[in-house]
Amino acid sequence: QVHLVESGGDLVKPGGSLRLACAASGFTFRDHYMNWIRQAPGKGLEWIAYISSSGDTIHYADAVQGRFTISRDNVENSLYLEMTSLRAEDSAVYFCAREGELGYYFDYWGRGTLVTVAS
Amino acid sequence: EIVMTQSPASVSVSPGESATLSCRASHTVSANLAWYQQRPGQAPRLLIYGASTRATGVPARFSGSGSGTEFTLTISGLQSEDFAVYYCQQYNFWPPFTFGPGTKVDLK
Repeated sequence: QVHLVESGGDLVKPGGSLRLACAASGFTFRDHYMNWIRQAPGKGLEWIAYISSSGDTIHYADAVQGRFTISRDNVENSLYLEMTSLRAEDSAVYFCAREGELGYYFDYWGRGTLVTVAS
Repeated sequence: EIVMTQSPASVSVSPGESATLSCRASHTVSANLAWYQQRPGQAPRLLIYGASTRATGVPARFSGSGSGTEFTLTISGLQSEDFAVYYCQQYNFWPPFTFGPGTKVDLK
C-alpha cells in the first residue's frame, strides 16, 4: 500500500534553514507528481510546492517562492523540501502528498513533520 | 488565484443525522473539486474528487455534487468517526492549488 513518511522537522531560529524529506513506498514513485502542503497550528491547509514526476516542472506558492526548494530523487524514492530564511509564520506541520491518478487532487498524504520557527 | 469559501464554519450534528457542507469558488473550477476529511491529529484523507467521485474505500454515505462555483458534500447517517474537519480544494486553475478554510462537524 502507499506509504509516505516525512522527516526532518525541528525547532529552528528565525532566519535558519531546514531540510525535510519524504520517503515513499508502495507505488511507482517516478510516475507521480508530488507536493508539499503545510498546516499552521489550529489553521487550515496551505499548498506550498509541486514537482512533476521527472522533476522538470516546479511551482511554488508566493509565500515560499525564493526561500524554499522542492526536489526529488526517483532512485531513492524520496521527496525533499529545502527551507531557508525561515520565519515564524513558516511554523507548521508539513505534509507530503501524492497527486491523484485522474487529476491534480491529493490522493495520499503522509502524517506530517512539525517545523517550529522561534527564537 | 481562486479563493475557496466554505459554510458553515462549524455544524453540530447527532449521530445518525445528515450533514450538508457547502463550498464555493470565486471563479468556475468546472468539476475539478476535491473534498478531504481531517480527524484531530491526523493527516487529511481524500474523500471525493471530480466533485462527485468517491475515492477508494470511502463509504457510500459520503456524496459530493456540484460544478462550476457551487459544491456540496453530504454525509448521510453520520457515524462517530465522521466527526472531523472537512476541506474542499480546487485543482482547475493552478498554481496555486487552493483549499477552503474548512467546516468542522462536531457532536451535538
